[in-house]
Amino acid sequence: DIQMTQSPSTLSASVGDRVTITCRASQSISSWLAWYQQKPGKAPKLLIYKASSLESGVPSRFSGSGSGTEFTLTISSLQPDDFATYYCQQYNSYTLTFGGGTKVEIK
Amino acid sequence: EVQLVESGGVVVQPGGSLRLSCAASGFTFDDYTMHWVRQAPGKGLEWVSLISWDGGSTYYADSVKGRFTISRDNSKNSLYLQMNSLRTEDTALYYCAKVAYDRYSSSTLEYYFDYWGQGTLVTVSS
Repeated sequence: DIQMTQSPSTLSASVGDRVTITCRASQSISSWLAWYQQKPGKAPKLLIYKASSLESGVPSRFSGSGSGTEFTLTISSLQPDDFATYYCQQYNSYTLTFGGGTKVEIK
Repeated sequence: EVQLVESGGVVVQPGGSLRLSCAASGFTFDDYTMHWVRQAPGKGLEWVSLISWDGGSTYYADSVKGRFTISRDNSKNSLYLQMNSLRTEDTALYYCAKVAYDRYSSSTLEYYFDYWGQGTLVTVSS
């Protein structure tokens, strides 16, 4: 199975900061990567698919990049609503895998 | 409006069995591959299983293979997960999730999720 490693596991930041989260795959997954945001007690919400495509309705301060084995999710200017946990997910194979998550906390 | 509503989560003893259900509405259910994803308390997301639009193809995570069975009843717009030989490590919130593309799309094998249910909690404990 393809392993997905996210870093950091926790990130402390302030409103207005630029935030970058990294996701690394154990083998090449081309651009078959999605990013989700999850808030406590809620289901995950799709942000980015195919590594860099923004889901409809998601603010443009979210962006994704990368291909192969290394990917990033960037929040250009962190807003109060963005404090949450973020997960990457590969869909290069039928057996899907998620990263361990990155919790974005208020500094 | 797409809705996915899971049910069936309870407290069960190790070695026991349980069947989860997911009622779907707001989209043409029998055009979409469906998945189960779980999340242990305070932990990350773990993909569990998928079933193709017609039920003809199924896949499982190694952690549940041979113990869990995914199925669907398209006449009832429902997805199921039969869970046998339950272990304490199966304790989790179980989500059903819909993929973004239907079976007619050239992207039909792109398995990322645009809609999730609210989850149903399974607790395996003696």
